[in-house]
Amino acid sequence: DVKVTQSSRYLVKRTGEKVFLECVQDMDHENMFWYRQDPGLGLRLIYFSYDVKMKEKGDIPEGYSVSREKKERFSLILESASTNQTSMYLCAALAGGPYNEQFFGPGTRLTVL
Amino acid sequence: AQKVTQAQTEISVVEKEDVTLDCVYETRDTTYYLFWYKQPPSGELVFLIRRNSFDEQNEISGRYSWNFQKSTSSFNFTITASQVVDSAVYFCALRGGATNKLIFGTGTLLAVQP
Repeated sequence: DVKVTQSSRYLVKRTGEKVFLECVQDMDHENMFWYRQDPGLGLRLIYFSYDVKMKEKGDIPEGYSVSREKKERFSLILESASTNQTSMYLCAALAGGPYNEQFFGPGTRLTVL
Repeated sequence: AQKVTQAQTEISVVEKEDVTLDCVYETRDTTYYLFWYKQPPSGELVFLIRRNSFDEQNEISGRYSWNFQKSTSSFNFTITASQVVDSAVYFCALRGGATNKLIFGTGTLLAVQP
C-alpha cells in the first residue's frame, strides 16, 4: 500500500503567520490532493496536483496555495493564517485513473489563534 | 453537478446489532465510481470498497456488505453484528469518470456501545 505521511499531527499558529503543511508519499503516484475536514461539512478539496509543478484549484482554494517541486512531495501553504482556517487537513495520493482509491495521510489538526 | 448525501449524521447502536449507513448520490455522468471510507478516532481515512457504475453486484466482505442500486442512486453500507471497533466516521464518496476529484458526503458517525 501507499504510505502517505504528513509533517505534523498537531500544529498551533498565530493569525497572520505563514504556515506550511507538508505531505510526502512513498510511491510514484502522479496525483496528490489536499482536503480540509470540518464537522458537518465532510471533506472539501482545496487543491490537487496531477504532476510535478502542475496544480489545479479545488472547491475552496481561497487563502491557500500549493507547491509541488518533486513528485513525492506536495505542500499546502497558508500565506497569512486566519482563525477560520482552523481545521483538520488531509493529504491524499492517487495512482492511475479514477477507478483507483485515494490513499490518505493521518491528517494535521491546525489551530490558528 | 455531483453530490453525495449522507442523511444520517450520527447513529448509536449496541454491540451485535446490525446497522445500515445510507448514501445517496447525484451525477449526470454515465461512468462513475463510488467509494466508502472509514475514519477511526486516529484520524486516517481507510479505504473500504469501490464500485463502478456498470457493476451493480452487491458485495460482502466478512461482516460488511454493500448494496448498490442505480435505480435509487444509492450505495448503502451494512455492518452485521457490529463491534466496538466499528466505531468511526464513515464517508461515502463519488468520482465522475472524467476526473480524479472525489466528492465526499458529510459522513456518518457510528458509535457502537458495548
